[in-house]
Amino acid sequence: NAGVIQTPRHKVTGKGQEATLWCEPISGHSAVFWYRQTIVQGLEFLTYFRNQAPIDDSGMPKERFSAQMPNQSHSTLKIQSTQPQDSAVYLCASSLDSSQNTLYFGAGTRLSVL
Amino acid sequence: TQTVSQSDAHVTVFEGDSVELRCNYSYGGSIYLSWYIQHHGHGLQFLLKYYSGNPVVQGVNGFEAEFSKSDSSFHLRKASVHWSDSAVYFCAVKEYSGGSNYKLTFGKGTLLTVTP
Repeated sequence: NAGVIQTPRHKVTGKGQEATLWCEPISGHSAVFWYRQTIVQGLEFLTYFRNQAPIDDSGMPKERFSAQMPNQSHSTLKIQSTQPQDSAVYLCASSLDSSQNTLYFGAGTRLSVL
Repeated sequence: TQTVSQSDAHVTVFEGDSVELRCNYSYGGSIYLSWYIQHHGHGLQFLLKYYSGNPVVQGVNGFEAEFSKSDSSFHLRKASVHWSDSAVYFCAVKEYSGGSNYKLTFGKGTLLTVTP
């Protein structure tokens, strides 16, 4: 079990470019979460999928951010027209989705927007 | 909406000392509290959780936490810390968003520095 895999580990984009972040959840886990981590804001919930269906995207910025889970083995977070304030570590987590579950986090993708 | 507050941004102790990291939550329904640890450059790792029963729960590497409904607290403790315990510790509360759907809301984290 390799755990939750996030690629790339580091991504540098220029202002206005697009960034796509990838997450491979643990096999058999039905819930996938995306969080954003910054020094100032801490850990912010972005969005949540359950059995590939989007359940809660209340934390997603309404513009430029989108997330998908086209199959049970990966999810993507896409940021269009990146801005310097998008610089952060983006963490993906998966869980078995039982009633008393535990989140398993990937190592994160550090996005730097220049 | 449930929230979680970690009052100490940074705690420094000597190796072998005991430590308590504080967490207070706002109550909004069914309680599910947990602690996670994040070493520099890594993702978060689960330490322990409480959702019912014995208010003192044991976790990995000698950590334990005690739930108190009267104090709205879920403080993390360790009797004797090791330098490898240096990390950021996050308290989290489970927030339901309808049916069995949920998310974890995290505190700001406490950086624990263990000095040799």
